[in-house]
Amino acid sequence: EVQLVESGGGLVQPGGSLRLSCAASGFTFSSYEMNWVRQAPGKGLEWVSYISSSGSPIYYADSVKGRFTISRDNAKNSLYLQMNSLRAEDTAVYYCARDTVTSAFDIWGQGTMVTVSS
Amino acid sequence: EIVMTQSPATLSVSPGERATLSCRASQSVSSNLAWYQQKPGQAPRLLIYGASTRATGIPARFSGSGSGTEFTLTISSLQSEDFAVYYCQQYNNWPPYMYTFGQGTKLEIK
Repeated sequence: EVQLVESGGGLVQPGGSLRLSCAASGFTFSSYEMNWVRQAPGKGLEWVSYISSSGSPIYYADSVKGRFTISRDNAKNSLYLQMNSLRAEDTAVYYCARDTVTSAFDIWGQGTMVTVSS
Repeated sequence: EIVMTQSPATLSVSPGERATLSCRASQSVSSNLAWYQQKPGQAPRLLIYGASTRATGIPARFSGSGSGTEFTLTISSLQSEDFAVYYCQQYNNWPPYMYTFGQGTKLEIK
């Protein structure tokens, strides 16, 4: 079964850091581009970051540029999001999503909740 | 930055009827347009990519059309499981490379 499973979410204080992980299974992870997408409580979807199958190039939304770092380990079938200098407005469910050749996201994880609050 | 605007924000339709959802881009995105369905507490599900191609396993009652700046998702005969929030999404294949989602249309039972 093709699957993505996120982990690493939790409660963190403003200015703090958190590292999210996304474990992939059921497909050849190293062949696919990947993304992080987030959704604040009661709000819509916001794309966060993209990484190619090889790890370069990488792109970020302006709202997280300079604070978040996306990476991957193809040997471990894993995607990561290092989040630094967290703000209250970063509070959201974070999804990892598989990218396709048509740039649509065909497989999504169940999401992991990140809450930034003092 | 390309802005995606969906309308209406909420659409009330009776089961068995047709629903038409719109998505407008602030500049041309060619056919780089996808549609997603999201139910409460669930991750989004890909319905349509390339503006008009149904994703694997998506029923034929879902169809997408349009190109450039105007796009439509049509659900021909609404089933109870179709009541959800729908998002459109575009992809820039030129700098700044980014994806943009619309704000969503909530499809509710009339």
